[in-house]
Amino acid sequence: GENVEQHPSTLSVQEGDSAVIKCTYSDSASNYFPWYKQELGKRPQLIIDIRSNVGEKKDQRIAVTLNKTAKHFSLHITETQPEDSAVYFCAAIVGSARQLTFGSGTQLTVLP
Amino acid sequence: NAGVTQTPKFQVLKTGQSMTLQCAQDMNHNSMYWYRQDPGMGLRLIYYSASEGTTDKGEVPNGYNVSRLNKREFSLRLESAAPSQTSVYFCASTTGGGRLFNYGYTFGSGTRLTVV
Repeated sequence: GENVEQHPSTLSVQEGDSAVIKCTYSDSASNYFPWYKQELGKRPQLIIDIRSNVGEKKDQRIAVTLNKTAKHFSLHITETQPEDSAVYFCAAIVGSARQLTFGSGTQLTVLP
Repeated sequence: NAGVTQTPKFQVLKTGQSMTLQCAQDMNHNSMYWYRQDPGMGLRLIYYSASEGTTDKGEVPNGYNVSRLNKREFSLRLESAAPSQTSVYFCASTTGGGRLFNYGYTFGSGTRLTVV
């Protein structure tokens, strides 16, 4: 099955700096890569996603890049703010039922 | 439009007790999923139902059973709860597999289960 690895597990940045989280996946058939933000006690919320026919996608301060050859994708957050502090999960979809496989998560802390 | 509704939100069980977690969606989605989330980990797939009348095992199915009661409802049953099943359980749904997939997952708000 699919295996998604995520690094780093924790990340602290100063407010206004950039944050980068990286993920690798194993199944070359995966074709959809969402990123989720999860605040304490809440459900995961989709913040951005990318499909396999696209190399980069940007939405205001958030961007995702995908390298299909290397099987890795990354989340970039610029001009970080304290409200960006949360756990971020990458995921990959594979299978006819579009099952999601999640990375282990990154605890992002933005220091004021 | 409620989306995906899970009940209960919290539950404490004693080892060996049984219970059923309920999940219902009102978006006419074909596919439904049960995930568990342990501290410091990502969500792991327990079971899924690609369409009404079908269910399949995910990554961590041991100790669980599921029922796709109809298109709206997908329940998860713990027959004999164990402390290792202490976790947060999320139900989710999508439009469906194959060409039905619209690249969106809708998650419920979760059930926090503690087994003592």
